[in-house]
Amino acid sequence: DAKTTQPNSMESNEEEPVHLPCNHSTISGTDYIHWYRQLPSQGPEYVIHGLTSNVNNRMASLAIAEDRKSSTLILHRATLRDAAVYYCIPPRDYKLSFGAGTTVTVRA
Amino acid sequence: EAQVTQNPRYLITVTGKKLTVTCSQNMNHEYMSWYRQDPGLGLRQIYYSMNVEVTDKGDVPEGYKVSRKEKRNFPLILESPSPNQTSLYFCASSLVRGSGANVLTFGAGSRLTVL
Repeated sequence: DAKTTQPNSMESNEEEPVHLPCNHSTISGTDYIHWYRQLPSQGPEYVIHGLTSNVNNRMASLAIAEDRKSSTLILHRATLRDAAVYYCIPPRDYKLSFGAGTTVTVRA
Repeated sequence: EAQVTQNPRYLITVTGKKLTVTCSQNMNHEYMSWYRQDPGLGLRQIYYSMNVEVTDKGDVPEGYKVSRKEKRNFPLILESPSPNQTSLYFCASSLVRGSGANVLTFGAGSRLTVL
């Protein structure tokens, strides 16, 4: 199974960008990379996913390294509502667990 | 509104008293899955189902049972709950897409305490 490595925590100031790294060096050529986030007291929610090229949506951007061994989730202007745990996962198959993720703290 | 609904949201029970946590989705998703979340351990998959009558074990299936008799429902059954099953439980669903692009939709969670 492909495994991912994320920092335990990151801090940011409000209105500043946040770059969340994820290492997935064992990923295969056909594995998508998905990002989810979990706000306090809520279930996880989908953020973004991609395969090879960079992806943008209204929530965030996803930059995938050319060798696909790592990716970075970019929150362009962090708000207090972005404080959450962010998970990077390669859902290659349907037997899938989430690691501890990165806890993002946003300072006002 | 497209959603995954779990019930109950909160439950306190005693050791050995059988309980069922229900999960229902209204998106016609083939795939459904149960997770438990414990401090520092992320979300660990308990069981998943690829479609009606098709279920398989996740990483931590011991002490749990599931069934998938209808596409929309995927109940989690604790036949004889023990205190180590005290946890926050999440149900999720998605379409089945072989490319790995399947996006999960999660329920709001069910907090279970076993005394």
